[in-house]
Amino acid sequence: NAGVTQTPKFQVLKTGQSMTLQCAQDMNHNSMYWYRQDPGMGLRLIYYSASEGTTDKGEVPNGYNVSRLNKREFSLRLESAAPSQTSVYFCASRAEGREQYFGPGTRLTVT
Amino acid sequence: GEDVEQSLFLSVREGDSSVINCTYTDSSSTYLYWYKQEPGAGLQLLTYIFSNMDMKQDQRLTVLLNKKDKHLSLRIADTQTGDSAIYFCAESIYSSASKIIFGSGTRLSIRP
Repeated sequence: NAGVTQTPKFQVLKTGQSMTLQCAQDMNHNSMYWYRQDPGMGLRLIYYSASEGTTDKGEVPNGYNVSRLNKREFSLRLESAAPSQTSVYFCASRAEGREQYFGPGTRLTVT
Repeated sequence: GEDVEQSLFLSVREGDSSVINCTYTDSSSTYLYWYKQEPGAGLQLLTYIFSNMDMKQDQRLTVLLNKKDKHLSLRIADTQTGDSAIYFCAESIYSSASKIIFGSGTRLSIRP
């Protein structure tokens, strides 16, 4: 039981490049989330998925797209990376009405 | 609207108690959580309290909830150097079953 896993752990992109951050959970949770964490700003919700086949915008969705590929996997895509997207990205999952479980994070730098 | 607020920093002496405070705005919260984040790591759930409870104790941790004032606190007794971390308060919103709102985190530092 690995919990929530994320790949890659670190990534450096040039402005305008694209990439996909992968997230998977093996806890059979319905809900999955993508957050970004910036110094002094806590966690900001980018997108979430309440169940397989559904996705909703969070607080800061601009510049991102998501795919809930199946119940286990929820990916985050940056189509054209910008320096403002330099951040640490966390994926999380949650069973109905319970606490969230977080992945270890992806540290992304856009130059 | 939905908002969770915390002070950014707290410094305490080793062995003293730490009290981290949080205020929230949504009165329909179901669960309130405390998460701990150590440097370079993800968030780990420390403890949580259901919104119809006033207090929950778990070893060195005591959570107090004042629903009237929408105030949540986390007390860590006998604070140790290993307690140095960022502590996040979060609330689960009844109106949106999937959504959890996080505060900006309180960085706890321990003085010798």
